[in-house]
Amino acid sequence: KNEVEQSPQNLTAQEGEFITINCSYSVGISALHWLQQHPGGGIVSLFMLSSGKKKHGRLIATINIQEKHSSLHITASHPRDSAVYICAVDNTDKLIFGTGTRLQVFP
Amino acid sequence: SQTIHQWPATLVQPVGSPLSLECTVEGTSNPNLYWYRQAAGRGLQLLFYSVGIGQISSEVPQNLSASRPQDRQFILSSKKLLLSDSGFYLCAWSVHPVQYFGPGTRLTVT
Repeated sequence: KNEVEQSPQNLTAQEGEFITINCSYSVGISALHWLQQHPGGGIVSLFMLSSGKKKHGRLIATINIQEKHSSLHITASHPRDSAVYICAVDNTDKLIFGTGTRLQVFP
Repeated sequence: SQTIHQWPATLVQPVGSPLSLECTVEGTSNPNLYWYRQAAGRGLQLLFYSVGIGQISSEVPQNLSASRPQDRQFILSSKKLLLSDSGFYLCAWSVHPVQYFGPGTRLTVT
């Protein structure tokens, strides 16, 4: 079993839909990262969380430390949100990555 | 501000040829440095990390090696590439707990 599990693996949505991507982990962490990887491969860090909730534009990330679970929400999704979203946990200063969720948003 | 550079952006190399990928960081000192690889259809995997000059830790046995000759320079090398070395290689640096990723190098071994 992977130490970081993401669901779903693939997700398609119509423009405007509310999207949720889930991440569960089984190791102790000091922080959890949500990353966005575009088709060219470049990775952008969206959020780093150690507790509670963060919001940036249409993106919201939450974490429940007791349940070892985090969610990434996208409100009013747009085709430009199409990318792979990766959850990564910070375990003794090394990141352990989930396998990613491939999101496609259609107009 | 801090910047991370990686080159080349893409590389096509024959099996058995050597490899050298370079990563440099600007705007910070004594960062932790990391090399990750993403094989086709798979998640990111940590290959090496370094907490200081000349200090390299390897996470998985493999055909690659890493070196850190200067504080802000991290090099990924191979003497003889294998087909299985193909993938997307990312360099990253951190001042714990924040990590910053480079633009990546897409390596195709033919």
